[in-house]
Amino acid sequence: DAGVIQSPRHEVTEMGQEVTLRCKPISGHDYLFWYRQTMMRGLELLIYFNNNVPIDDSGMPEDRFSAKMPNASFSNLKIQPSEPRDSAVYFCASSSQGQGAEAFFGQGTRLTVV
Amino acid sequence: AQSVAQPEDQVNVAEGNPLTVKCTYSVSGNPYLFWYVQYPNRGLQFLLKYITGDNLVKGSYGFEAEFNKSQTSFHLKKPSALVSDSALYFCAVRDFGTGGFKTIFGAGTRLFVKA
Repeated sequence: DAGVIQSPRHEVTEMGQEVTLRCKPISGHDYLFWYRQTMMRGLELLIYFNNNVPIDDSGMPEDRFSAKMPNASFSNLKIQPSEPRDSAVYFCASSSQGQGAEAFFGQGTRLTVV
Repeated sequence: AQSVAQPEDQVNVAEGNPLTVKCTYSVSGNPYLFWYVQYPNRGLQFLLKYITGDNLVKGSYGFEAEFNKSQTSFHLKKPSALVSDSALYFCAVRDFGTGGFKTIFGAGTRLFVKA
């Protein structure tokens, strides 16, 4: 398996534009996570899905953020409208069903909003 | 609510010396504990985990960690550090029984191994 695949690797956009980050989890994994990493706040869990259903979105910072998982092999995270403070590295991770299963991370998308 | 603390922003060790990266946690139920490593411009990579059983767990690249329930700690150790171990290390906790699959990460500790 190629691992968790995220696209794009880098995104530079202007304030106010819509941004879409994409993730393909490892085949067979039932859980998918979106994290955001910044120097100030570290690694924050934004939302996670189980079998394509959002389970906990309490980490989503505000209504400008939304995430969907239309099928087992794809998820996207949208920010509309984007703001400079959204600049961060966004990671997608997936894991199998077991309670003690570790997460496998993608390489991340570095988002810069100017 | 679950939380993780990594009290040191940076740990400096000389190559060949033992290293310890500290982690303490707080959960209301039983913890599942993890260590991950992050190299520059990369995603996090899993190192090891404690689920149950032996308090000393061994992981990738010669790393090990000891679960101490009374001290609520899960420190990462390696007997002999390598320059290539220099990276950012994250401790993470999942609260089995109450937290579902919600995994919380510490702030990270940067390990610098000097040749």
